[in-house]
Amino acid sequence: AQKITQTQPGMFVQEKEAVTLDCTYDTSDPSYGLFWYKQPSSGEMIFLIYQGSYDQQNATEGRYSLNFQKARKSANLVISASQLGDSAMYFCAMRERGTGGFKTIFGAGTRLFVKA
Amino acid sequence: DAMVIQNPRYQVTQFGKPVTLSCSQTLNHNVMYWYQQKSSQAPKLLFHYYDKDFNNEADTPDNFQSRRPNTSFCFLDIRSPGLGDAAMYLCATSRDTGQTNEKLFFGSGTQLSVL
Repeated sequence: AQKITQTQPGMFVQEKEAVTLDCTYDTSDPSYGLFWYKQPSSGEMIFLIYQGSYDQQNATEGRYSLNFQKARKSANLVISASQLGDSAMYFCAMRERGTGGFKTIFGAGTRLFVKA
Repeated sequence: DAMVIQNPRYQVTQFGKPVTLSCSQTLNHNVMYWYQQKSSQAPKLLFHYYDKDFNNEADTPDNFQSRRPNTSFCFLDIRSPGLGDAAMYLCATSRDTGQTNEKLFFGSGTQLSVL
């Protein structure tokens, strides 16, 4: 069973508008972390934002915010004021306990296209 | 700048011919990971090293091995590559494994083609 589900293979957004990328997760561990990473065409994954399972408030990092709904097990990424440079793959990830410590597992990603 | 470096960026090998991918880091992180990323799929964790301790994922084929001779370097060895092993291989690091908030630092990946 998939632990991280990203249901949008591709998304289009107009420059300067906001966009929401969906992510749902599955875990029985009460302690976990949720991440979003950006992967431009260069290939290097870049950390965007983190949300802890015990955090009461939604995380924000500049134009990025994470809409954390714990009961629904969702962790959607909101990008405000989209820029052309935001065009990339976006991966939702969860860090949960495993053998050898916490491990990070990824969803299949959403490709975002920002239109001028 | 401290970083994670993967070489080469593109690697072509023949079916069944052993190949080694390399990763180095200047972050002095304890943990190094190898992920396999196939097109339109989630990056899949193959294994990780915490210092010299090797942790293999249960579903990683025996065909995949890894070595970490020192803190800075980690290698991925594919003993007999098959066509299904063609993928992007991502190396990542983190300071530790004991926290949920450890973010990963990635290299640019090595795109492996198997002919």
